[in-house]
Amino acid sequence: EPEVTQTPSHQVTQMGQEVILRCVPISNHLYFYWYRQILGQKVEFLVSFYNNEISEKSEIFDDQFSVERPDGSNFTLKIRSTKLEDSAMYFCASSQGDAGTGSYEQYFGPGTRLTVT
Amino acid sequence: DAKTTQPNSMESNEEEPVHLPCNHSTISGTDYIHWYRQLPSQGPEYVIHGLTSNVNNRMASLAIAEDRKSSTLILHRATLRDAAVYYCILRPSNDMRFGAGTRLTVKP
Repeated sequence: EPEVTQTPSHQVTQMGQEVILRCVPISNHLYFYWYRQILGQKVEFLVSFYNNEISEKSEIFDDQFSVERPDGSNFTLKIRSTKLEDSAMYFCASSQGDAGTGSYEQYFGPGTRLTVT
Repeated sequence: DAKTTQPNSMESNEEEPVHLPCNHSTISGTDYIHWYRQLPSQGPEYVIHGLTSNVNNRMASLAIAEDRKSSTLILHRATLRDAAVYYCILRPSNDMRFGAGTRLTVKP
């Protein structure tokens, strides 16, 4: 069964450093998403991406964050200058159609645990 | 903005059916009802979704009230692997927001 994969599974970085989290969405999916979950808290939406453009973003997704689909398979989340409060699990998801409309489901990856020291 | 209300936690015995309720009294006519779950230390997992009619798939059944103000996720035979947090989400009204969900504990 096709699945979303994410690398690395765990990333440790120092405050102020740049990190890139990588995702390979399901191959025939067109919509891509990033979420984060701070330990013990809710899953929070960051951004959705379609047709090489951001289609929606939350208030969390500020100028420190960027997303890119550098090739036909990868989808990346970059944090330019990490802060302690960026420590969280980051989940990538994909869907065939726009999950925001309601008629499509999303498939999530296993996550990358980001630890900022 | 339509919201959902779920119990914080529920318990079930292994191999018994589980009914997880969700209230959404301000649901709009175009809102789909989605259920996801999150097993410990894993990403959210799609379970099922529906608009008006009851839905079945290999994981669960979704029973939607006639007035659509509530729904119930039914796990027909709970296993230990079903212990997770279950999220009821309306889309598009909830955008991409996950609430606190219901933590299901399955006892052997």
